[in-house]
Amino acid sequence: NAGVTQTPKFQVLKTGQSMTLQCAQDMNHNSMYWYRQDPGMGLRLIYYSASEGTTDKGEVPNGYNVSRLNKREFSLRLESAAPSQTSVYFCASRVTGDNQPQHFGDGTRLSIL
Amino acid sequence: SQQGEEDPQALSIQEGENATMNCSYKTSINNLQWYRQNSGRGLVHLILIRSNEREKHSGRLRVTLDTSKKSSSLLITASRAADTASYFCATNNQGGKLIFGQGTELSVKP
Repeated sequence: NAGVTQTPKFQVLKTGQSMTLQCAQDMNHNSMYWYRQDPGMGLRLIYYSASEGTTDKGEVPNGYNVSRLNKREFSLRLESAAPSQTSVYFCASRVTGDNQPQHFGDGTRLSIL
Repeated sequence: SQQGEEDPQALSIQEGENATMNCSYKTSINNLQWYRQNSGRGLVHLILIRSNEREKHSGRLRVTLDTSKKSSSLLITASRAADTASYFCATNNQGGKLIFGQGTELSVKP
């Protein structure tokens, strides 16, 4: 099993460009999450999807949109990239239920010039 | 805002020693989880402790939870060089959403 797969692994954008980060999981999980990780800040939740067909904002949603394409896939879109969005982006998924851990991909390292 | 604060921010020990990391949080929780992150990789779940549990063990890991003090600790016994990583606590207080601390960077020297 691949677990949670994120593409691309690295990307450099210019300010104002758009981009979609892809995430897919093969564990039949209902819930999926997008985080960003900045130095010294831990992970912060951008958006999440509790189940197929639903999405909700997290702590830092401004400048991002998401699409839960199907149960497997959850994409994150930057419509007009800004230098402040330079970060490492992680996707995660989990089984429904309070006491279930999240499973993470290896991240997308995004630099915006 | 960050729910958890971790202490210390960085810890350097020798192989074979024990490593203790602490986490404090602000609001009520359903559970608290610890994750490990190796350099350049995603987070890996280590252990979950529920709000009605006080201590939990998994191999060389021991986690304690004190809900009255809103704090938790992670103890790694007999550390190995392969334990070198960043360790994060995360609290779950609503529907599976996690709020992470800033992490402790552990370095275990051979």
